Amino acid sequence: DTGVSQDPRHKITKRGQNVTFRCDPISEHNRLYWYRQTLGQGPEFLTYFQNEAQLEKSRLLSDRFSAERPKGSFSTLEIQRTEQGDSAMYLCASSLTGAWETQYFGPGTRLLVL
Amino acid sequence: AQSVTQLGSHVSVSEGALVLLRCNYSSSVPPYLFWYVQYPNQGLQLLLKYTSAATLVKGINGFEAEFKKSETSFHLTKPSAHMSDAAEYFCARSTGTASKLTFGTGTRLQVTL
Repeated sequence: DTGVSQDPRHKITKRGQNVTFRCDPISEHNRLYWYRQTLGQGPEFLTYFQNEAQLEKSRLLSDRFSAERPKGSFSTLEIQRTEQGDSAMYLCASSLTGAWETQYFGPGTRLLVL
Repeated sequence: AQSVTQLGSHVSVSEGALVLLRCNYSSSVPPYLFWYVQYPNQGLQLLLKYTSAATLVKGINGFEAEFKKSETSFHLTKPSAHMSDAAEYFCARSTGTASKLTFGTGTRLQVTL
C-alpha cells in the first residue's frame, strides 16, 4: 500500500492556459474523489467516481473543469482556460466501498494561476 | 443544509496542556464523523472516525473524540499537547456510504513552550 499519489505537486500557469492533474489511488480502492481547498478553508467536494463511472459532480465544477477515470484506476482533472480564482490546492482521495467507508487523501496539487 | 461547524479558527496551548478542538454538526440522520489533520503543504491524514460502534473514539497520536448526540458534538481532545501536534485540524461528516465529505473550516493548533 503506497498511498494516494498526485502529480504534479505544484503547478504555476498563466491565466487562460489549460492544466491537467493526475491522481493515483490506493490500488484496491474503487472510489476516487476530487476536492478543492482554498486558503483558510476546508476542502470542498468537486466530484467522485466509482470505478470508471462519474457518479456525482458539485456545482463548483464549472464547464471548464472535466474529470476522467478511464480504466477505473488513475484519474485526471483538467481545467481549461484557467482563471485566477482557480488558484487552490486540489486534493484527491480514494476509498473502498463498505459500511465504514473512509477516504484517504493524497498530498495535493497546489495550483497558482498568474 | 447539513454542515459542520468548528468553533475557533485558532487555538493556542502550552506544551503538555490539554488540547480541546470543538466540532458541532447538523444532520437529520446520524452522520459518520471524522477528524483529519493537515500539516503545512501536505494532504489530510485521518486521525479518527466515528461510525456508531462506540461514542468514545480513539485515534492516532493520542487523540480521541467523543460523540454526543444530545449536543450534536464531536470534540477532539488530547491530554497532553506536543510540539509536533501543531497543524490544521478539520472535522468532517458524511451521511454514509458513497458520500462526499463535508468539512468544517478548520482549526489551527499552535503549541507553545
